[in-house]
Amino acid sequence: DAGVIQSPRHEVTEMGQEVTLRCKPISGHNSLFWYRQTMMRGLELLIYFNNNVPIDDSGMPEDRFSAKMPNASFSTLKIQPSEPRDSAVYFCASRRQANTEAFFGQGTRLTVV
Amino acid sequence: SQQGEEDPQALSIQEGENATMNCSYKTSINNLQWYRQNSGRGLVHLILIRSNEREKHSGRLRVTLDTSKKSSSLLITASRAADTASYFCATDVLSGGGADGLTFGKGTHLIIQP
Repeated sequence: DAGVIQSPRHEVTEMGQEVTLRCKPISGHNSLFWYRQTMMRGLELLIYFNNNVPIDDSGMPEDRFSAKMPNASFSTLKIQPSEPRDSAVYFCASRRQANTEAFFGQGTRLTVV
Repeated sequence: SQQGEEDPQALSIQEGENATMNCSYKTSINNLQWYRQNSGRGLVHLILIRSNEREKHSGRLRVTLDTSKKSSSLLITASRAADTASYFCATDVLSGGGADGLTFGKGTHLIIQP
């Protein structure tokens, strides 16, 4: 398996634009997590899904952020409109089931100018 | 919100020495996990310790868990330059929906001096 695949690896966009980050979890994994990492706030859990259903989105910063998981092999995190303070590295992770290890993608480095 | 908090924030030691990092958390957990992150890369799982376990070993890694103190420690023995990385603890808790979330601390940045 190729592991968790995220795209794009880098994204530079102008303030106000819509940004879509993509994630392909490992086949057979039923949990998917989205995290945001910054120097100031560390690694924040934004939202996670179990069997494609959002379980807890309390970490989503505000209404500008939305996440979907239309099927077991694909998830998106959308920011609309983007702001400079959204600049961060966004990670997707998946795992087979509860109480097991999570596997991380390489991340998407987002810069909003 | 962040559940775990690592201590120290940064640690610099000589190659060959042992490195100890600590993690404290706030609420009851199912398990606690340690991850490593090299600069510019994703996190990699190191070891998982369940709430009913007190100690676990994996190669040069030793993890302890004290649920009464809500704390864990990660010991890396005989450190190598390649161990230079950030180390994170993550807690697996039960959410209201019955499913589990995995939340991380801010990490300890470990530097091994050759």
